[in-house]
Amino acid sequence: GENVEQHPSTLSVQEGDSAVIKCTYSDSASNYFPWYKQELGKRPQLIIDIRSNVGEKKDQRIAVTLNKTAKHFSLHITETQPEDSAVYFCAAQEGNKLTFGGGTRVLVKP
Amino acid sequence: SQTIHQWPATLVQPVGSPLSLECTVEGTSNPNLYWYRQAAGRGLQLLFYSVGIGQISSEVPQNLSASRPQDRQFILSSKKLLLSDSGFYLCAWSVRRTDQYFGPGTRLLVL
Repeated sequence: GENVEQHPSTLSVQEGDSAVIKCTYSDSASNYFPWYKQELGKRPQLIIDIRSNVGEKKDQRIAVTLNKTAKHFSLHITETQPEDSAVYFCAAQEGNKLTFGGGTRVLVKP
Repeated sequence: SQTIHQWPATLVQPVGSPLSLECTVEGTSNPNLYWYRQAAGRGLQLLFYSVGIGQISSEVPQNLSASRPQDRQFILSSKKLLLSDSGFYLCAWSVRRTDQYFGPGTRLLVL
């Protein structure tokens, strides 16, 4: 089955700096890669996703890149703000289900 | 628009007691439904998923079971809870096998 590795597990950045989270996956048949943000005590929220026919997608301060050849994808957050502090999960689709990475705890220091 | 409900929101149960958590989705038909568990400070573990009424796929062998008696209802059960069953239980739905949307979750503490 699919295996998704996510790095780093924790990330501390200064407000205004950029944050990058990287994920690798094992199943070359996977073609959908979402990212979720989970604030403390709340449900994960889908913040952006990318499909295999696209190499990059942007939504305001958030961007995702996908390299299908290397089987890795990344989340980029620019101009970080304190409200970006949360746990972020990447995932890869395998049939009817998603396989999630282990999560990255992002702390934005004011 | 679609809405997903879970109840109860929190639950404290003794070891060995039964469990029933319910999830319902509104505003969509024939969704895929999922049960996840999240231990404190940890990632998302897929427990069960269903692509239709009565169709259940189990991902992790354990003392939990799932049922889908109606198109938009998904139930997670246990006959006897273990301490290790404590966690945050999340139900999710999708209609295109891709983007999944999570419910508010149930916090379960087994004592």
